[in-house]
Amino acid sequence: DAKTTQPPSMDCAEGRAANLPCNHSTISGNEYVYWYRQIHSQGPQYIIHGLKNNETNEMASLIITEDRKSSTLILPHATLRDTAVYYCIPQDTGTASKLTFGTGTRLQVTL
Amino acid sequence: ETGVTQSPTHLIKTRGQQVTLRCSSQSGHNTVSWYQQALGQGPQFIFQYYREEENGRGNFPPRFSGLQFPNYSSELNVNALELDDSALYLCASSLGVRRGLGEQYFGPGTRLTVT
Repeated sequence: DAKTTQPPSMDCAEGRAANLPCNHSTISGNEYVYWYRQIHSQGPQYIIHGLKNNETNEMASLIITEDRKSSTLILPHATLRDTAVYYCIPQDTGTASKLTFGTGTRLQVTL
Repeated sequence: ETGVTQSPTHLIKTRGQQVTLRCSSQSGHNTVSWYQQALGQGPQFIFQYYREEENGRGNFPPRFSGLQFPNYSSELNVNALELDDSALYLCASSLGVRRGLGEQYFGPGTRLTVT
């Protein structure tokens, strides 16, 4: 499994864009990049995933660099409810859907 | 709401006892994964069941075992409980059409305390 590096914490003002970086320099060609978040005392929530193209859904956008060694999750207009721990997880298509969670980034959205 | 339910919500057991945790997967999902989350850490993969068979296991001892039923619900059993087993136990369901792909939908978890 590819190793990931994420900043331990970030702050964002409500209404502003939150940009959460993730370094996955050892990612292999068949590993997708998945993002999940975990709001306090709840189960993790799937956000978005991608292979090499940028992706967007109703929750967020995912920007993956051309060399695939890093990615950025963008929450375009952060709200207080987006306060959570965000996990970047490379996932091999050959594994049994095992998600390997690191320590993630604790995002605090403030007024 | 993901449609994944777990029971019980909280549980207190004594060291050496056995415990069974239950999970009902989201409608249409045939794959269930179990994770253990100790306080302040990320979830750790225990094992996964796909169509009633174990389909991958993490670094957990054999006293952690599971079952998946024909309706795709699942149980996690832990024998000979140890203090370090105190954690939040999460189950996640997914549609395992393609091996290794597919987002997982997590339940709210069962908080197990071993005293």
